[in-house]
Amino acid sequence: EPEVTQTPSHQVTQMGQEVILRCVPISNHLYFYWYRQILGQKVEFLVSFYNNEISEKSEIFDDQFSVERPDGSNFTLKIRSTKLEDSAMYFCASSNAGAETQYFGPGTRLLVL
Amino acid sequence: AQSVTQPDIHITVSEGASLELRCNYSYGATPYLFWYVQSPGQGLQLLLKYFSGDTLVQGIKGFEAEFKRSQSSFNLRKPSVHWSDAAEYFCAVVSTGGGNKLTFGTGTQLKVEL
Repeated sequence: EPEVTQTPSHQVTQMGQEVILRCVPISNHLYFYWYRQILGQKVEFLVSFYNNEISEKSEIFDDQFSVERPDGSNFTLKIRSTKLEDSAMYFCASSNAGAETQYFGPGTRLLVL
Repeated sequence: AQSVTQPDIHITVSEGASLELRCNYSYGATPYLFWYVQSPGQGLQLLLKYFSGDTLVQGIKGFEAEFKRSQSSFNLRKPSVHWSDAAEYFCAVVSTGGGNKLTFGTGTQLKVEL
């Protein structure tokens, strides 16, 4: 069964450093998403991406964040200058239609020191 | 704005007992509703979804959920809980316009006593 994969599974970085989180969505899916979950809190929407552009973004997704689909298979989330409060689990998801089921990857746990 | 409420933060049940996890939503149009499960340190696995049609939907692992428009609810049920069901359960609603974002509830942590 096809699945969403994410790398790395864990990343530790220093405050102010740039990080890139990588995702490989399910191959025939067209819609891509990033969510995050701060420890002990609920899952929050960050951004959705379709047809090579952002469809919607939340208030969390400020200028420090960017997304890219650099090739036909990868979908990346870049945090330009990490802050302590960016420490969270970041989930990538994909779906094959607009309001269809979103399938989630296993997540990347980011720790900013 | 859409929202999802899961009133129970923690629930403890005995193995073999029945289970009901509550979910209430607020959404202006017909909602598309989901239940996801998250085991410790794991990602989110889809249990079931409701888009339209029969208001009682069946999912994986013996779970079912009933959509009640009059009560704005989408409660998750299982007739007999197994110890492996211990996990966190999230109800979610998707917006059908724009970016299709999922709005999650705060989750219910299920503990199963043997």
